[in-house]
Amino acid sequence: KAGVTQTPRYLIKTRGQQVTLSCSPISGHRSVSWYQQTPGQGLQFLFEYFSETQRNKGNFPGRFSGRQFSNSRSEMNVSTLELGDSALYLCASSFQENYGYTFGSGTRLTVV
Amino acid sequence: GQQVMQIPQYQHVQEGEDFTTYCNSSTTLSNIQWYKQRPGGHPVFLIQLVKSGEVKKQKRLTFQFGEAKKNSSLHITATQTTDVGTYFCAGQAGTALIFGKGTTLSVSS
Repeated sequence: KAGVTQTPRYLIKTRGQQVTLSCSPISGHRSVSWYQQTPGQGLQFLFEYFSETQRNKGNFPGRFSGRQFSNSRSEMNVSTLELGDSALYLCASSFQENYGYTFGSGTRLTVV
Repeated sequence: GQQVMQIPQYQHVQEGEDFTTYCNSSTTLSNIQWYKQRPGGHPVFLIQLVKSGEVKKQKRLTFQFGEAKKNSSLHITATQTTDVGTYFCAGQAGTALIFGKGTTLSVSS
């Protein structure tokens, strides 16, 4: 079966711009989580969606938002980009909680 | 909020030596999961532990979940160069899966 698909793979943006990242989970997976990965901070939890509802949110500013559609596809948006937002953004899908996650290959965001 | 601490941050071993990474949570977990990320790759699910005191093995890898369901360990016996990568534990309490910062393993032959 197809894995978790994230688009785009790479992105370069300027400070102050906004960006939208997309994630298509494995068919049948209704839980989608987003993580920010940086060398210094590891994998930091952004938010988790299940059946279009945000059930959990990590400790990130309001500039980071997301949503999930009825087909379980998810998007995350970062507004007013800062240099510190440069990171690998990973999406992971799961059948439900207490099941292992399948990660996508990530979107590498560079803010200049 | 929930925190998951993992030690050591880095470990270098000679091929054939054993390796262990430890994970501690600030809260009781419903389950703990382990992932491996190869350089340039994304995390790949290895295993999930659910029961207090649970021990699971995958070939040379042994995973343990503490009695209090707040700590876990991963032990690799006789490391090989293919074991290189970063090993993450991730604790689930509720609907969020919180990752430790990982232990990066390097192996020299």
